Amino acid sequence: NAGVTQTPKFRVLKTGQSMTLLCAQDMNHEYMYWYRQDPGMGLRLIHYSVGEGTTAKGEVPDGYNVSRLKKQNFLLGLESAAPSQTSVYFCASRGHQETQYFGPGTRLLVL
Amino acid sequence: AQKITQTQPGMFVQEKEAVTLDCTYDTSDQSYGLFWYKQPSSGEMIFLIYQGSYDEQNATEGRYSLNFQKARKSANLVISASQLGDSAMYFCAMREAYNAGNMLTFGGGTRLMVKP
Repeated sequence: NAGVTQTPKFRVLKTGQSMTLLCAQDMNHEYMYWYRQDPGMGLRLIHYSVGEGTTAKGEVPDGYNVSRLKKQNFLLGLESAAPSQTSVYFCASRGHQETQYFGPGTRLLVL
Repeated sequence: AQKITQTQPGMFVQEKEAVTLDCTYDTSDQSYGLFWYKQPSSGEMIFLIYQGSYDEQNATEGRYSLNFQKARKSANLVISASQLGDSAMYFCAMREAYNAGNMLTFGGGTRLMVKP
């Protein structure tokens, strides 16, 4: 019963490098979300998806891209990482009920 | 303007006592949902409780209850009989109407520390 998983758990990047964060859910949920959490703050929505093949911008989308080619996966890409993108990234999914279920998070450090 | 305000950055409570964590929200929607999540030091986000704007009864889940005062736009979390394992960050969040993505807006959080 994996729920929502995220890969990797921790990553260090140099400024300008690119990477992709993978989120996978096994609950057959339609909605998926990517949030970032900066120190001492709540979560802010980056991008979201309401179903396979769809994506939309959230509150802080700049510098990120996403794709939802398969219903169970939601990928978050950083094309050219910046120190301001140092954060903890959370993926979440939601079915027909109200609750969003979160993954364990990915800690990203951009030097 | 902040949509979700948590005015208590940090709080202490004695083990076995009850504690109330404050949350006020701002929305002009009639249909909305309010959530509380717990984030222990390990970092994961754990769903605690949900209250819909049309729910007449305050939500309860075990030792957690949500004191929903619609006219005051407050949705305070009450934890009864605090335990050491309750020490964590607590976040209040809101889903406004039935927006396309059913997105959540989070408050800044309250750090709760339970004293033995």
